[in-house]
Amino acid sequence: DQQVKQNSPSLSVQEGRISILNCDYTNSMFDYFLWYKKYPAEGPTFLISISSIKDKNEDGRFTVFLNKSAKHLSLHIVPSQPGDSAVYFCAASANTGNQFYFGTGTSLTVIP
Amino acid sequence: NAGVTQTPKFRILKIGQSMTLQCTQDMNHNYMYWYRQDPGMGLKLIYYSVGAGITDKGEVPNGYNVSRSTTEDFPLRLELAAPSQTSVYFCASRPRTGVSRGVRWIQYFGAGTRLSVL
Repeated sequence: DQQVKQNSPSLSVQEGRISILNCDYTNSMFDYFLWYKKYPAEGPTFLISISSIKDKNEDGRFTVFLNKSAKHLSLHIVPSQPGDSAVYFCAASANTGNQFYFGTGTSLTVIP
Repeated sequence: NAGVTQTPKFRILKIGQSMTLQCTQDMNHNYMYWYRQDPGMGLKLIYYSVGAGITDKGEVPNGYNVSRSTTEDFPLRLELAAPSQTSVYFCASRPRTGVSRGVRWIQYFGAGTRLSVL
């Protein structure tokens, strides 16, 4: 059973515009959420995270929003750059941080 | 700093063969993880370890075994390979605490091992 879902397998955006990647989760025990970025033939690398005590976290061009009541989070990238083209995974964990649950990923293509 | 190193990068196995996927990290991280990623799917946790000598099952442990005799190494063993184990395997590690204020539980991943069982 997929506890973390990314319903958009792919997304294409023009360079300079905003990219919005979405993620939904079902387990109300999740209290920490992370976004990872993955290039082909490489392992995922950490991008940004958010704790359930916050509803927004920013890091440069990347902002993650968390809506706990809807069990939904989103990653905003603005402005989008061609180097942002990659697969983005959403992940979630409960309070121990022992196990992490990943979404199926969204492949972002930023068109120059 | 090498980070998390996985070997081999590619492997083809015949049904019923066994092999060990190697994972080593040089960051002195307590936690280590094994995931598999099937095409079009997310990463599924196979096993994890919170420290040397301690391992536990994740979401999809069947058909695999692990050991953690040292902090650095976390090998994954496939005893009787089956076609259903064809996947890309990722090893990851993380420190016990956050890397900076407000940021915790970041995993560092290896480049992966692509395994085909035919």
